[in-house]
Amino acid sequence: QQQVKQSPQSLIVQKGGISIINCAYENTAFDYFPWYQQFPGKGPALLIAIRPDVSEKKEGRFTISFNKSAKQFSLHIMDSQPGDSATYFCAASIGSRTGFQKLVFGTGTRLLVSP
Amino acid sequence: DSGVTQTPKHLITATGQRVTLRCSPRSGDLSVYWYQQSLDQGLQFLIQYYNGEERAKGNILERFSAQQFPDLHSELNLSSLELGDSALYFCASSALGGETQYFGPGTRLLVL
Repeated sequence: QQQVKQSPQSLIVQKGGISIINCAYENTAFDYFPWYQQFPGKGPALLIAIRPDVSEKKEGRFTISFNKSAKQFSLHIMDSQPGDSATYFCAASIGSRTGFQKLVFGTGTRLLVSP
Repeated sequence: DSGVTQTPKHLITATGQRVTLRCSPRSGDLSVYWYQQSLDQGLQFLIQYYNGEERAKGNILERFSAQQFPDLHSELNLSSLELGDSALYFCASSALGGETQYFGPGTRLLVL
């Protein structure tokens, strides 16, 4: 119940295309859903996050779509650029508002944007 | 740069040994989290400290322990090391009530 399932494992997109990464969860107590971006040799960095009371959040070229009834959320990267090539992790947590949260991460998607 | 620092960057040791990984959180952050990243297990939450006290525990082995000191830096101690402990170990920090966790650059541990 604490798992977050992420797909696909890897993704190749042409420059200018749309990258879509999907995640699904079981635990309805999760109350915070961030996406992290990780470049080789670096730690994960927060990209964008959403709470379950919102169905969509957009920040620049990055959009999270959230479907509470289906217990699924996805990351869309519009106009994908070679600089977006990285590993993307979805995550979910309980207790985020208290500051005492446990982040449960998906298995990661390796995105390659071809020039 | 997240503002979280970790030392050392790389560590090579032998099975059965003990190592200590160090983390300094962002200025003002009271919460410190430790994660293990391996190829087969992905990113796994190990433990969280808040202002010196343990607040949340994840999949941390009994051979592993952590603490947070009065100056808020944290150490993760790994003992009786096994080959399977080879991984990237990340520290993250957050502000009180903060949702965002800021990750350090990690320590790459290789157990031979």
